Amino acid sequence: DVKVTQSSRYLVKRTGEKVFLECVQDMDHENMFWYRQDPGLGLRLIYFSYDVKMKEKGDIPEGYSVSREKKERFSLILESASTNQTSMYLCASRYLGYQPQHFGDGTRLSIL
Amino acid sequence: ELKVEQNPLFLSMQEGKNYTIYCNYSTTSDRLYWYRQDPGKSLESLFVLLSNGAVKQEGRLMASLDTKARLSTLHITAAVHDLSATYFCAVDRVKNTGNQFYFGTGTSLTVIP
Repeated sequence: DVKVTQSSRYLVKRTGEKVFLECVQDMDHENMFWYRQDPGLGLRLIYFSYDVKMKEKGDIPEGYSVSREKKERFSLILESASTNQTSMYLCASRYLGYQPQHFGDGTRLSIL
Repeated sequence: ELKVEQNPLFLSMQEGKNYTIYCNYSTTSDRLYWYRQDPGKSLESLFVLLSNGAVKQEGRLMASLDTKARLSTLHITAAVHDLSATYFCAVDRVKNTGNQFYFGTGTSLTVIP
């Protein structure tokens, strides 16, 4: 069965901290994605990766970076956390082609 | 920028009734996806619509795609409480580097007994 695992369900950090969110998939998917989900705004794409060590900016990349050193792992980094980055973060992966994305359970991040 | 709009944003309906959720998108795309999200849970894929005129059905849900009108519908037949959830549509745009997905804002459905 398809499995996308995010390292934390809930996370509380302080303003200015460097924050790492980890995502691992076990399906050998080429594409991986990071979204944030906010009420009334739906899902907004932060970054996606189409292959190992490759990345592309989504619609809201400011304040974030990503790392994909291995095919199964895609990390989202908040370089200096700010309160407006408090949100639900969702990781997803998929094969190439027309397959749907498979989502992790999400990380609810609070920045104090 | 590709925009995806859903309406209604909130829907409260009685059990046994029928209703339709609409998903409009702003630029050409031949692929449309529907997802369901239960409270506190992640998104689950419902349907993938790959071409104009495509229709998919699963239980009380039926999705269709009209690429010329840039419109997809999710029709609910004889709603039951278990269908209460938030429903998202998404379209993808092919880039050289892979597909980027654009999601609607979601429709929060509450089915009242």
